Amino acid sequence: DAKTTQPNSMESNEEEPVHLPCNHSTISGTDYIHWYRQLPSQGPEYVIHGLTSNVNNRMASLAIAEDRKSSTLILHRATLRDAAVYYCIHLSHASGGSYIPTFGRGTSLIVHP
Amino acid sequence: NAGVTQTPKFRILKIGQSMTLQCTQDMNHNYMYWYRQDPGMGLKLIYYSVGAGITDKGEVPNGYNVSRSTTEDFPLRLELAAPSQTSVYFCASRRQPRGSKNEKLFFGSGTQLSVL
Repeated sequence: DAKTTQPNSMESNEEEPVHLPCNHSTISGTDYIHWYRQLPSQGPEYVIHGLTSNVNNRMASLAIAEDRKSSTLILHRATLRDAAVYYCIHLSHASGGSYIPTFGRGTSLIVHP
Repeated sequence: NAGVTQTPKFRILKIGQSMTLQCTQDMNHNYMYWYRQDPGMGLKLIYYSVGAGITDKGEVPNGYNVSRSTTEDFPLRLELAAPSQTSVYFCASRRQPRGSKNEKLFFGSGTQLSVL
């Protein structure tokens, strides 16, 4: 089954860049890498996703390794509102051709003022 | 655009009681999911549905049932509540065109359930 590995927690200071790593050595060639974050007492929300190339949006950047076995979510300037649990996921293939998003424990990001 | 709506937000049940957690989405998504999240843990999949009339078990289905009679609604039923079912429950949906794996998930705000 598809599996991702992330550090349990990371810390950063406000307005500094944050690099959140994820290993996904079992990813297949056509699986996208998705990142979600979960703010306290809320449901997860989409951050960014990509396949092979680095991706940027208004929330973050995603750097994908050339062999696609790892990726890094980059928050360019952390704010206190970025304190959350960040999940790196990809879709596990299930019976009948369906795909299931599988979540690990994620990385808890602590941002210090 | 309401997205994914879950009700109720909070509920306390006694052991052995039953209840239904409601989930509805207005984005015409074919895929819907129910997850549970225990304190300090990630999300575990309970059941999922790939379209109206089709449901399948996830990682932790025991003690739960689901139905999908319409595209919009995906209720989760607890028949005999047990303390082990104390958790936060999240419903999610996504659009999955045939062969595509890059569509993002949309989550509801969750239902916090305590079984005492």
